Amino acid sequence: GIQVEQSPPDLILQEGANSTLRCNFSDSVNNLQWFHQNPWGQLINLFYIPSGTKQNGRLSATTVATERYSLLYISSSQTTDSGVYFCAVVLGSGNTGKLIFGQGTTLQVKP
Amino acid sequence: SQTIHQWPATLVQPVGSPLSLECTVEGTSNPNLYWYRQAAGRGLQLLFYSVGIGQISSEVPQNLSASRPQDRQFILSSKKLLLSDSGFYLCAWTRDRHNEQFFGPGTRLTVL
Repeated sequence: GIQVEQSPPDLILQEGANSTLRCNFSDSVNNLQWFHQNPWGQLINLFYIPSGTKQNGRLSATTVATERYSLLYISSSQTTDSGVYFCAVVLGSGNTGKLIFGQGTTLQVKP
Repeated sequence: SQTIHQWPATLVQPVGSPLSLECTVEGTSNPNLYWYRQAAGRGLQLLFYSVGIGQISSEVPQNLSASRPQDRQFILSSKKLLLSDSGFYLCAWTRDRHNEQFFGPGTRLTVL
């Protein structure tokens, strides 16, 4: 089956620093989403980005579907950015809409 | 706008007891609905999905079952819980299988 790999698995930043999270996937996809899971477990939608580049405030994301990877950029990090970031994809050949998740990147932003 | 609700938020149940978790969506019609489970420290795994009333597909064989009695209601059940059923259960909806999915707040289940 499709593999979704995220890197790095863990990341510690000082407040104000920038970071890049990466998501590699092994097959063509129809959907790619980035989520932030907060300390209460809620999955917050960050980006729906099967291709191209999007920006939302201090966050931006780029997906290069032909090369099967996506990047999430966090600029001027804040302590509230701490949590787990997940990348999830829907197979291009699938008919269920099942999201296949990576194992996540755990981010800790220190004041 | 659309909202998705789950209850209960937390649940502690003894092994062998029954389970019923509920998910409802407001502000949309005929959504695709999904149940995912997250084990501690890991990514999410799809358990069931539904494209319409009474239509349930299972992704992983287990002692859980799902039902969709109404268009915007999705229920996860078990007749007898196992220790391994502990985890964080999330319901999600989407307009169609290629669109953005949105998740509910989740139910944290502990089986003792």
